[in-house]
Amino acid sequence: DIQMTQSPSSLSASVGDRVTITCRASQSISSYLNWYHQKPGKAPKLLIYAASSLQSGVPSRFSGSGSGTDFTLTISSLQPEDFATYYCQQSYTTPRVFGGGTKVEIK
Amino acid sequence: EVQLVESGGGLVQPGGSLRLSCAASRFTFSNYWMHWVRQAPGKGLVWVSRINGDGSSTNYADSVKGRFTISRDNAQNTLFLQMNSLRAEDTAVYYCAREGFSGVRAFDIWGQGTMVTVSS
Repeated sequence: DIQMTQSPSSLSASVGDRVTITCRASQSISSYLNWYHQKPGKAPKLLIYAASSLQSGVPSRFSGSGSGTDFTLTISSLQPEDFATYYCQQSYTTPRVFGGGTKVEIK
Repeated sequence: EVQLVESGGGLVQPGGSLRLSCAASRFTFSNYWMHWVRQAPGKGLVWVSRINGDGSSTNYADSVKGRFTISRDNAQNTLFLQMNSLRAEDTAVYYCAREGFSGVRAFDIWGQGTMVTVSS
């Protein structure tokens, strides 16, 4: 199975900060990489699919990049509603493995 | 509004069985692959199983293979997960999720989740 490794596992940031989360696949997954965020007690929500395509309705402060094994999610200016846990997921093959998550907390 | 609503969770003893349901609305259910994803308390997301649009193809995580069965009833717009031989480590919130069309291949719609607790 493909392994997905996210870093950092947690971070503290302030409103307005630029935040970057990385995700590494154990083998090449082309651009089959998705990003979700999840707030406590809620279902995950799709932010980015195919590494860099913004899901409809998601604010443009979210962006994704990368291909092959290394990927990045960037939040250009962190907003109060962005404090959540972020997960990457590969959709290159089954099982559709998720990364371990990155918890973004308020500094 | 496009929606998925899970039901069927609850408390079950180790070795017991449970059947989860996921009711879909406001989209053509039979056109989509559907998935189950679970999340143990305080832990991350774990993919469990998937099924194609007509129900002819299924896949499972190794941890549930041989114990769980995914199925669907397209006439009733409902996805199922039959869970047998349940273990304590199956305790989790179970989400159903829709996979977008081939160009998306991501889970674009999620249900609210249903809690399964396996304990004596």
